[in-house]
Amino acid sequence: GAGVSQSPRYKVTKRGQDVALRCDPISGHVSLYWYRQALGQGPEFLTYFNYEAQQDKSGLPNDRFSAERPEGSISTLTIQRTEQRDSAMYRCASSLGVTSGNTIYFGEGSWLTVV
Amino acid sequence: QQQVKQSPQSLIVQKGGISIINCAYENTAFDYFPWYQQFPGKGPALLIAIRPDVSEKKEGRFTISFNKSAKQFSLHIMDSQPGDSATYFCAASMGGGGNKLTFGTGTQLKVEL
Repeated sequence: GAGVSQSPRYKVTKRGQDVALRCDPISGHVSLYWYRQALGQGPEFLTYFNYEAQQDKSGLPNDRFSAERPEGSISTLTIQRTEQRDSAMYRCASSLGVTSGNTIYFGEGSWLTVV
Repeated sequence: QQQVKQSPQSLIVQKGGISIINCAYENTAFDYFPWYQQFPGKGPALLIAIRPDVSEKKEGRFTISFNKSAKQFSLHIMDSQPGDSATYFCAASMGGGGNKLTFGTGTQLKVEL
């Protein structure tokens, strides 16, 4: 596609429910990143993939958060047993390669509200 | 631990003026310093970036100044325009770190007529 595509754009869920956020990176981009952005803050790194391999998940807040990219393209970020503190904008991004300096392109994000 | 500190939090500049946003970093392993521009409802988009082997990089009205010894870098927007009104984020990444970016907290810029 022309850009990084995320769905759903908006998600309201009840506390305790599981949610899955989907990301379709720019075609041909090897690296895929997940960030979380609170209102008025910069994006905060969660995890990233090189092809289908999850290279770094040091930013995932706890074990309720997981991500996968089984075929090296589309990725899903899953939050289990959601809590109100999980409410945030979740942004996916992609880049051609994983070396420092490769331009990272961000999607428009998925707004998650946990009520 | 906030590895990239950004200031000011907000900035109002008159049309035609110079906007200056500053960032300081702690980790000397950082080797790539981009600035991202974000409009409301949109994702951040790369504006300009610099590596520590140069002290300045200019692209049109946007200039990054880099001071390696002070571990500081800044964004200068010359001849600021109302269309530049947005949130600006500095960031940093390190070689071997997988290209993951550490962002500053952002500066909300408003350019007034």
